[in-house]
Amino acid sequence: QKEVEQDPGPLSVPEGAIVSLNCTYSNSAFQYFMWYRQYSRKGPELLMYTYSSGNKEDGRFTAQVDKSSKYISLFIRDSQPSDSATYLCAMSANAGGTSYGKLTFGQGTILTVHP
Amino acid sequence: EAQVTQNPRYLITVTGKKLTVTCSQNMNHEYMSWYRQDPGLGLRQIYYSMNVEVTDKGDVPEGYKVSRKEKRNFPLILESPSPNQTSLYFCATGLAGVTEQYFGPGTRLTVT
Repeated sequence: QKEVEQDPGPLSVPEGAIVSLNCTYSNSAFQYFMWYRQYSRKGPELLMYTYSSGNKEDGRFTAQVDKSSKYISLFIRDSQPSDSATYLCAMSANAGGTSYGKLTFGQGTILTVHP
Repeated sequence: EAQVTQNPRYLITVTGKKLTVTCSQNMNHEYMSWYRQDPGLGLRQIYYSMNVEVTDKGDVPEGYKVSRKEKRNFPLILESPSPNQTSLYFCATGLAGVTEQYFGPGTRLTVT
């Protein structure tokens, strides 16, 4: 079993829809949770970062972490064609010390928002 | 302009022929890392470095070597490439103690 599981999709939605992307994980040591967006032929870029459980909002994007269920989500409101990309969740046990460097990624979900 | 540079961007090589993929950053970041990305497997960490002369294994280090002799450079070395190392490789950098990582443009490697 992978430490981080993410439904690869693909997911296709109409413009303006609310998109929900999810990851589950098995390692209870994970404390830092991130969402990256990767456009075709580009490197991933950090979208959202949350520590421990809770919600974080940034414009049309909301990240949720439920550590009790080992489940994280990314919501995109009013989705736009420019949101079409692969979305990867990533997790880390520590932000400092020798454990900082290890990031574990999900497989990525391919999202297409059509006009 | 802050950037992470990888060279080459595309490489086709043969089994057993040693190669090096370079990664360079101009942001004075302490942390640098190498990942490979394969369909259905996502991004998997190969090696990372917390600072000069400090490196550690990620999840898939077999068949790879790294060195960190200067802060700005973190080359990935494949001493004897094999076809199962055909992949898309990304270098990433970041500040120590900060979660955000900046990724390079990627290197597509094919080993025949």
